Amino acid sequence: EPEVTQTPSHQVTQMGQEVILRCVPISNHLYFYWYRQILGQKVEFLVSFYNNEISEKSEIFDDQFSVERPDGSNFTLKIRSTKLEDSAMYFCASSVWEGDGYTFGSGTRLTVV
Amino acid sequence: AQTVTQSQPEMSVQEAETVTLSCTYDTSESDYYLFWYKQPPSRQMILVIRQEAYKQQNATENRFSVNFQKAAKSFSLKISDSQLGDAAMYFCAYLVRSDDMRFGAGTRLTVKP
Repeated sequence: EPEVTQTPSHQVTQMGQEVILRCVPISNHLYFYWYRQILGQKVEFLVSFYNNEISEKSEIFDDQFSVERPDGSNFTLKIRSTKLEDSAMYFCASSVWEGDGYTFGSGTRLTVV
Repeated sequence: AQTVTQSQPEMSVQEAETVTLSCTYDTSESDYYLFWYKQPPSRQMILVIRQEAYKQQNATENRFSVNFQKAAKSFSLKISDSQLGDAAMYFCAYLVRSDDMRFGAGTRLTVKP
């Protein structure tokens, strides 16, 4: 069964550093998403991406964050100048169309120290 | 703004028994989609079941079924013949086209042998 692949599975970074979280969505999917889940809390929407541009973003997704689809397969989330409160599980997801269920990756656990 | 409420932070069921997880949502839309996701200890988000709001028939997937009450804005998940592998966090989610998927706070299900 097709999968959404995320790398790395766990990243530890120092406060103030930049991190790039990588995702390979399912090949025939057109819509891509990033969500995050702070430990013990709900899953929160960050951003959606379609047709090589951001289609929607939440209030969490401020200038510290950016997304990119550098080639035909990868979808990245960049977090600049990381803060302790950025520590969370970050999930990438993709879907064929907007109303379809999302297929989530297995997540990247980001720890900012 | 659409909200999703899961009023049961924790539920417990005996193996082989049936359990129902509750979910309500708030929306002014008539066409939308509802989902249940399972998050085991590995923290991957796994789609369990999907319901289109325009369909009156309740969705079923093997031991999983929903009770969708559109007028009441209720979307409960019934797990029959519960198995130890069903133990996980369960998230109810709502999606309307051209918007992001929104999740409830989750219900932690424990299955007792």
